[in-house]
Amino acid sequence: QVTLRESGPALVKPTQTLTLTCSFSGFALNTRGLCLTWIRQPPGKALEWLARIDWDDDKLYSPSLRSRLNISQDTSKNQVVLTMANMDPADTGTYYCARIFGSGSYHIDYWGPGTLVTVSS
Amino acid sequence: SYELTQPPSVSVSPGQTASITCSGHKLGDKYVSWYQQRPGHSPVMVMFQDSQRPSGIPERFSGSNSENTATLTITGTQAMDEGDYYCLAWDSRTAVFGGGTQLAVL
Repeated sequence: QVTLRESGPALVKPTQTLTLTCSFSGFALNTRGLCLTWIRQPPGKALEWLARIDWDDDKLYSPSLRSRLNISQDTSKNQVVLTMANMDPADTGTYYCARIFGSGSYHIDYWGPGTLVTVSS
Repeated sequence: SYELTQPPSVSVSPGQTASITCSGHKLGDKYVSWYQQRPGHSPVMVMFQDSQRPSGIPERFSGSNSENTATLTITGTQAMDEGDYYCLAWDSRTAVFGGGTQLAVL
């Protein structure tokens, strides 16, 4: 059974760095073709892709946010960590961790419940 | 940067057919997946590789993708199909979501 769960602070101040952790079970990220990705959704708005880390540790980032993002994995803990620097109120939203089945179409087959992050002083 | 365009809203009567489109340059050359999001819930995949239905998704959901437009079709729409629908495609190692379509079953 595949599960994913996001954790991190619910409230961060502007200019701070956000650190989110995705804890997953039911699969091994070093399985060929699997990826973990982060997606966010501002309140009432559309989904926005942030970053992806692949089974072979390849890392991809949203071009518009690349300079602020870092994604990494801790295979021993079955966790993927996303950091986002210089947080702004516009970064407020729900942040989702999700699994991508990357063989062919790179579709998202499992999602975490999401974690709401509010950026405010 | 690559963009995917969806209509903001689609309305359909119960039992009728709903079609939600997703448009992008040469989208037919890419694989498209679709996600349903009900209020307060995480998205759920309802279609992948343009026209493949995941296990557990009703047969009334179907998909197609050709030239510049991908379409998610719901035949015999039910009230439980209400929600926001997003298309997703990859371009140059970047994931792109459509702006989402709110499906209302009236």
